[in-house]
Amino acid sequence: KAGVTQTPRYLIKTRGQQVTLSCSPISGHRSVSWYQQTPGQGLQFLFEYFSETQRNKGNFPGRFSGRQFSNSRSEMNVSTLELGDSALYLCASSLAGNNGYTFGSGTRLTVV
Amino acid sequence: KQEVTQIPAALSVPEGENLVLNCSFTDSAIYNLQWFRQDPGKGLTSLLLIQSSQREQTSGRLNASLDKSSGRSTLYIAASQPGDSATYLCAVETTDSWGKFQFGAGTQVVVTP
Repeated sequence: KAGVTQTPRYLIKTRGQQVTLSCSPISGHRSVSWYQQTPGQGLQFLFEYFSETQRNKGNFPGRFSGRQFSNSRSEMNVSTLELGDSALYLCASSLAGNNGYTFGSGTRLTVV
Repeated sequence: KQEVTQIPAALSVPEGENLVLNCSFTDSAIYNLQWFRQDPGKGLTSLLLIQSSQREQTSGRLNASLDKSSGRSTLYIAASQPGDSATYLCAVETTDSWGKFQFGAGTQVVVTP
């Protein structure tokens, strides 16, 4: 079966711009989580959605937002990009939480 | 607040040796603990999931144990191979934070032929 699909794989943006990343979970999975990975901070939790509702949110500024659609696909948006937003953004999906999470390959965002 | 620590930060072993990777966590009210591997520049690959009611899980050469009372999990990899070279990450999901994993910093493993 198809895994978690993240698009695009790579992005280069300029400071001040905004960006939207997409995540298609495994078919039937209703929970989608987002993480930011940087060499200095490691993996940090952004937010989690279940059936279109945000259940948990990490400690990121309001420039980071997300949403989940009725088909469980999710998007995250970062507005007013800063150099420090350069990172690998990872999405993960789960059937219902107790089955563990499957991660996608990530979107590598570079802000210049 | 859940804190997850992985020791050692890096490990180099000759091929054939067994690997022992440690993960400790501060909040024993965990829901799931999951071990992942990450190759450079790639996403995370799930290795083993241990639910809160379980003590261990096994898959092939991999075995992971969970001791909630002491706040520890250990990942054993038997008869290591060069293809096992990667960063191994431990992630903990607590009962009051559904869908939110707290990750350790990882153990970088190098298996030399």
